[in-house]
Amino acid sequence: EAQVTQNPRYLITVTGKKLTVTCSQNMNHEYMSWYRQDPGLGLRQIYYSMNVEVTDKGDVPEGYKVSRKEKRNFPLILESPSPNQTSLYFCASKSQGTMNTEAFFGQGTRLTVV
Amino acid sequence: GDSVTQMEGPVTLSEEAFLTINCTYTATGYPSLFWYVQYPGEGLQLLLKATKADDKGSNKGFEATYRKETTSFHLEKGSVQVSDSAVYFCALSDSGGSNYKLTFGKGTLLTVNP
Repeated sequence: EAQVTQNPRYLITVTGKKLTVTCSQNMNHEYMSWYRQDPGLGLRQIYYSMNVEVTDKGDVPEGYKVSRKEKRNFPLILESPSPNQTSLYFCASKSQGTMNTEAFFGQGTRLTVV
Repeated sequence: GDSVTQMEGPVTLSEEAFLTINCTYTATGYPSLFWYVQYPGEGLQLLLKATKADDKGSNKGFEATYRKETTSFHLEKGSVQVSDSAVYFCALSDSGGSNYKLTFGKGTLLTVNP
């Protein structure tokens, strides 16, 4: 089954404690991306990756890092989380093709920073 | 920059009622347009898409037509069911560069009562 898997689904952490949210896809997609979803704001892109070792900033990259060492994995790293990073996070992947192809989303990670 | 404006919710309907969720967009290029649906506790799933002017996307009884002259992509369904209760996101993907970013509206929560 084609899927994007994120872990953990829920996470409560304290300010300043480094954390990583993992994302893995089994569709051999080149393109992967992270979004955050906040009430009244919809989804906003944090980072994206066109392929292995190729990453770039999205619209709201501050406070986040990513890496793409393998095609299937695209972890999101919060080096020093702050309460304003409390949000619902989604990882997405799609084939390189064109902008018309479907993006597949993970089930989301609800992060609370206290 | 690109933007998507969609009808603010929440929208509450009775089963078998007609649904319209309005969506308009601003884009610099020739975008592809999408409707994604988010069921409670799940990630986003593609509902339908249209890639050029006058295209009609359809799926599960939902329809939307790409109207370039009015920059709109309104979602419609003739007879909603309780199982259609979800958050609906209008989104676009523009042809700008190599980032297949999806620009989302803020989402519309639909509740269908029996």
